[in-house]
Amino acid sequence: QQQVKQSPQSLIVQKGGIPIINCAYENTAFDYFPWYQQFPGKGPALLIAIRPDVSEKKEGRFTISFNKSAKQFSLHIMDSQPGDSATYFCAASKWYGQNFVFGPGTRLSVLP
Amino acid sequence: EAGVAQSPRYKIIEKRQSVAFWCNPISGHATLYWYQQILGQGPKLLIQFQNNGVVDDSQLPKDRFSAERLKGVDSTLKIQPAKLEDSAVYLCASASLNEQFFGPGTRLTVL
Repeated sequence: QQQVKQSPQSLIVQKGGIPIINCAYENTAFDYFPWYQQFPGKGPALLIAIRPDVSEKKEGRFTISFNKSAKQFSLHIMDSQPGDSATYFCAASKWYGQNFVFGPGTRLSVLP
Repeated sequence: EAGVAQSPRYKIIEKRQSVAFWCNPISGHATLYWYQQILGQGPKLLIQFQNNGVVDDSQLPKDRFSAERLKGVDSTLKIQPAKLEDSAVYLCASASLNEQFFGPGTRLTVL
C-alpha cells in the first residue's frame, strides 16, 4: 500500500512536444503529491506539487492533473525543451512529509 | 541560502568494511531525511528525523545501518559492515514543511 507506480519508464519527444508521465498510488492517507526532476550526478529538485483538494495545478510549463477517485496523478510538460531532458520522479506522502514514497522514475529525452 | 551539504561525494570500500556519510542541512530546517537511491530506481527513504528525534526508520536495515542527528543539526549515516548490495547513492534532504531540498549525494561503491 506504500507503493507509487509510475509510467512510462522512458520517454522520447521532439522539442515542443508535450510529454505526459503518469503515477498511481494506493494509500488513501497520502495527501501531498510532488514531482521531482533529477539530472545526472545531482539530487532531485522539487518541480511542482499538489494536494488532493484541487484537480489541477500549473506552474510555468509544468502542470499536474490529479484524479482523487482514481488515485492517479500526472505531469504534463508544455513546449518541452532539450534542457528538460532528465529523470522525473513522482512521490507521495502524508502532510508534513510523513511516509515519503517515490515512484521508480521516468527518463525523459527531448530531441532538438 | 546555502544548500544541503554532503560528504564525501564518492566512496569506494570493500565488503564487510564500515563507512560513514555526513550531512549538513539547510539552516533552520527541522526535518532531515536519508534516502538510498540504487541506480535506475527512485530514492527509498531510510530514516526521517524531526529535530534530533526519529520519526520514521521502518525501512532502515538496523542490523547494519545506523543514523544519528545530535543537536538536531548535522547528521551521520553509518553502514557496518557493508554488503555488495549497499552500492548506491545516499541522499540527504532537509525540509521546511513539505518541500524537501536534496544534497548532491554520496556515491558508494562496495567491491
